[in-house]
Amino acid sequence: QSVVTQPPAVSGAPGQTVIISCTGSSSNFGARYGVHWYQQLPGTAPKIVLYGDINRPSGIPDRFSGSRSGTSASLVITGLQAEDEADYYCQTYDIRLSGWLFGGGTRLTVL
Amino acid sequence: QITLKESGPTLVEPTQTLTLTCLFSGFSLTTSGAGVGWIRQPPGEAPEWLAVIFWNDIKRYSPSLKSRLTITKDTSRYQVVLTLTNMGPADTATYYCVHRLGDSSTGGHFDFWGQGSLVTVSS
Repeated sequence: QSVVTQPPAVSGAPGQTVIISCTGSSSNFGARYGVHWYQQLPGTAPKIVLYGDINRPSGIPDRFSGSRSGTSASLVITGLQAEDEADYYCQTYDIRLSGWLFGGGTRLTVL
Repeated sequence: QITLKESGPTLVEPTQTLTLTCLFSGFSLTTSGAGVGWIRQPPGEAPEWLAVIFWNDIKRYSPSLKSRLTITKDTSRYQVVLTLTNMGPADTATYYCVHRLGDSSTGGHFDFWGQGSLVTVSS
């Protein structure tokens, strides 16, 4: 099945580390396509914060990092800041769909 | 710097056809690997990929909407147009035009997004 799953919500206090998981299947992660992560602040378009599993675009702080193992990937945010409070989406490519797939999103709350 | 901007109606009646235009700058859709796509996001929901058109005129559509979607490009005018037929309330969403970064007509990610265009379907 062509679905990418994320936890609906995570939270952490300022300065802490949070991990957002993303679980795929054999037709996407298993097909070795990269996993990409987007941050969406309220009322704005999603913005890429990690691409190709682990790469940061210019301007994204090194507090954001990624990892991947098998059919799962993670976005790790260290030194949590209030400005990190947003919705986060993972995205990949699915060979069964012949198209691009987004996870359901995770709302990060900074306590 | 790559920019994209969507234009089109904000209100569409049920059964009508939606036509959205994306005007882009900062790259050419004749460059190998270039792609422009459309993604929509219903209020409070996750983004949903709709369609992508590539430099070589290859087009890819979401399987669930393929029968209703058409994507075209005008490279000389730096425009991409999306049409979605037989609009219904479930099509109410913000529609984004996006630049796809990748080296083939599969994979890759969306590195630049337009500001989005909210389209409401209602009579």
